[in-house]
Amino acid sequence: GNSVTQMEGPVTLSEEAFLTINCTYTATGYPSLFWYVQYPGEGLQLLLKATKADDKGSNKGFEATYRKETTSFHLEKGSVQVSDSAVYFCALRGTSGSRLTFGEGTQLTVNP
Amino acid sequence: SAVISQKPSRDICQRGTSLTIQCQVDSQVTMMFWYRQQPGQSLTLIATANQGSEATYESGFVIDKFPISRPNLTFSTLTVSNMSPEDSSIYLCSVEDWAGGYGYTFGSGTRLTVV
Repeated sequence: GNSVTQMEGPVTLSEEAFLTINCTYTATGYPSLFWYVQYPGEGLQLLLKATKADDKGSNKGFEATYRKETTSFHLEKGSVQVSDSAVYFCALRGTSGSRLTFGEGTQLTVNP
Repeated sequence: SAVISQKPSRDICQRGTSLTIQCQVDSQVTMMFWYRQQPGQSLTLIATANQGSEATYESGFVIDKFPISRPNLTFSTLTVSNMSPEDSSIYLCSVEDWAGGYGYTFGSGTRLTVV
């Protein structure tokens, strides 16, 4: 079946540091890939997505590229802010069926 | 993108009671999904609800414990029955939202504490 593996957290960075959160997946064919963010006390918000190989999703300074050859969708941001502190989830939608499969989530804390 | 109104946002309930969570969508959607997020954990799919048919439950979840209604294309409810402290979680509904290429939209969640 489908699965998503995220780097273990929590991650603590200083403001303006570079962020990478690794995400790899197992799925047949070409799944759609997502990053969701959950701010404290809130629900999930779509951060970015990519639906085919080599697509780059981007939003709010975050980027992730769909790498079929390495089955990865790593999240990056060049300069994090305190307001980026949240839990980040990598997820995929397989080619058969509509369900989302989530990674474990990575807690990010950005200190001023 | 679709907008989901989920109620209640939080509740504290006595063990042995039931709580019904509602999700209202501002557009018609075929499939709605219900997830559970236990403290500090990722999201686990409880069931998928299509209008006019029985919900499809994932392994480990049963209809008697989590009955779901889906009376029309914009509304669904999830009931958490005969609650115990282990049911304390965040419950979220979600819909597919590909009309605008958006993917999936989530409700804001219901934070349930069972005492």
